[in-house]
Amino acid sequence: AQSVAQPEDQVNVAEGNPLTVKCTYSVSGNPYLFWYVQYPNRGLQFLLKYITGDNLVKGSYGFEAEFNKSQTSFHLKKPSALVSDSALYFCAVRPYNTDKLIFGTGTRLQVFP
Amino acid sequence: EPEVTQTPSHQVTQMGQEVILRCVPISNHLYFYWYRQILGQKVEFLVSFYNNEISEKSEIFDDQFSVERPDGSNFTLKIRSTKLEDSAMYFCASREAGVYNEQFFGPGTRLTVL
Repeated sequence: AQSVAQPEDQVNVAEGNPLTVKCTYSVSGNPYLFWYVQYPNRGLQFLLKYITGDNLVKGSYGFEAEFNKSQTSFHLKKPSALVSDSALYFCAVRPYNTDKLIFGTGTRLQVFP
Repeated sequence: EPEVTQTPSHQVTQMGQEVILRCVPISNHLYFYWYRQILGQKVEFLVSFYNNEISEKSEIFDDQFSVERPDGSNFTLKIRSTKLEDSAMYFCASREAGVYNEQFFGPGTRLTVL
C-alpha cells in the first residue's frame, strides 16, 4: 500500500538551532514529494517539492529537504529555527500514476525562545 | 498573492441534512480537489476534478458525495445526507496545468454534524 510516515508527533527545538522533521514514504515508481505547513486556522501552505534532479531542494522561509531514494526518505530541514516556524508540518507523496496527494499524519514543530 | 478561498469557515448541520461546501480556486488553475481531515487523523483525498468531470475519487467518495463547477469560478462539494462521521475539516485545493505543479489549499471548512 502507498503511504507516508512521519514518525514524530512533535519536535521541539530551541530558536537558532537546526531542525529536522522526518518523513519516509512507500510508493511504487518514482514519487513526487511535498512538504506543507499548517498554521492555526489556516490552510495547508506549500513549502517545497521534489520531482527529479538534485536531491537537496530548497523552499520557502529557508526550509530545505533532502531526498534519499535508498532510504525512501524526504526529511525537512532548516539550519536555524525561528519561533515563528512553530506549526504543523505535513509530508505528502504523489504517486507517479495518480494526481492525488497521500499525506503523513503531521509533525508539530515547537520552537522555544 | 492569489489564494484558494472557502465558505463557510464553519458549518453546523443536523444528521440527514444536505450541505454544500463552496470553494473558489485560483483563477488560472485547471485541476481541483477536495480533501478532508477528521479530527486527529490524516488529511485524506476525496476527489479530483478536471475538464468538468471527476478524474479520480477515493473509497470515501460514495454516492452521498458530489462535486460541481457551476460557473467559471466556484467549485462545490455536496453531501446529500450527512452522517455523524462526516464531521471533519474539508479542504479544497487547486493547481495549474503541468503534471509537476503543486496543489494550493484553501483554509478549510469545518463541518460539524449533530
